Amino acid sequence: EAQVTQNPRYLITVTGKKLTVTCSQNMNHEYMSWYRQDPGLGLRQIYYSMNVEVTDKGDVPEGYKVSRKEKRNFPLILESPSPNQTSLYFCASSNLQGSGYTFGSGTRLTVV
Amino acid sequence: SQQGEEDPQALSIQEGENATMNCSYKTSINNLQWYRQNSGRGLVHLILIRSNEREKHSGRLRVTLDTSKKSSSLLITASRAADTASYFCATDYRGTSYGKLTFGQGTILTVHP
Repeated sequence: EAQVTQNPRYLITVTGKKLTVTCSQNMNHEYMSWYRQDPGLGLRQIYYSMNVEVTDKGDVPEGYKVSRKEKRNFPLILESPSPNQTSLYFCASSNLQGSGYTFGSGTRLTVV
Repeated sequence: SQQGEEDPQALSIQEGENATMNCSYKTSINNLQWYRQNSGRGLVHLILIRSNEREKHSGRLRVTLDTSKKSSSLLITASRAADTASYFCATDYRGTSYGKLTFGQGTILTVHP
């Protein structure tokens, strides 16, 4: 089944403890992206990647890092999480033809 | 911010009625996409319309694009209770690299059985 898989689905962590949210897609898509969704603010793009080793900042990149060493994986790294990064995070992927993004099921992160 | 605006913010209708949602954006686009999100779950891509297209259909969905007014609308015909969800438009702005997608705030649609 074609899908984007994010892990974990839920995560509660403490301020300053480094964490990684993994994202993997099995559709051989070139484009991958991370979003956060907050009430009243909608979805905002954090980082996106056009292909292996090619990434760029979205609208809210501060406090996040990404890497794209393999085509299928696009992990999101929070080096020192803070409570304002408590949010619902989505990974998504798309092909070159621009047929729309396939989204993962989301990761609900709480930083206390 | 280049974020698009959607209206209405919330829409409540009876099953069988049509639902229309609107999206306005700020600068020239390559394409505009519509997504559906069921409560707290991942978004599902519904339809993509390119800047040189004016109308597109997919099942009970009809999307129009007016680039002169920088607006798009999504029409769901003969709505069902299962259509209850949030609907978002997303724009791929011209001049940015593909992959930089900007979402609107969404319209919450409730369809009453």
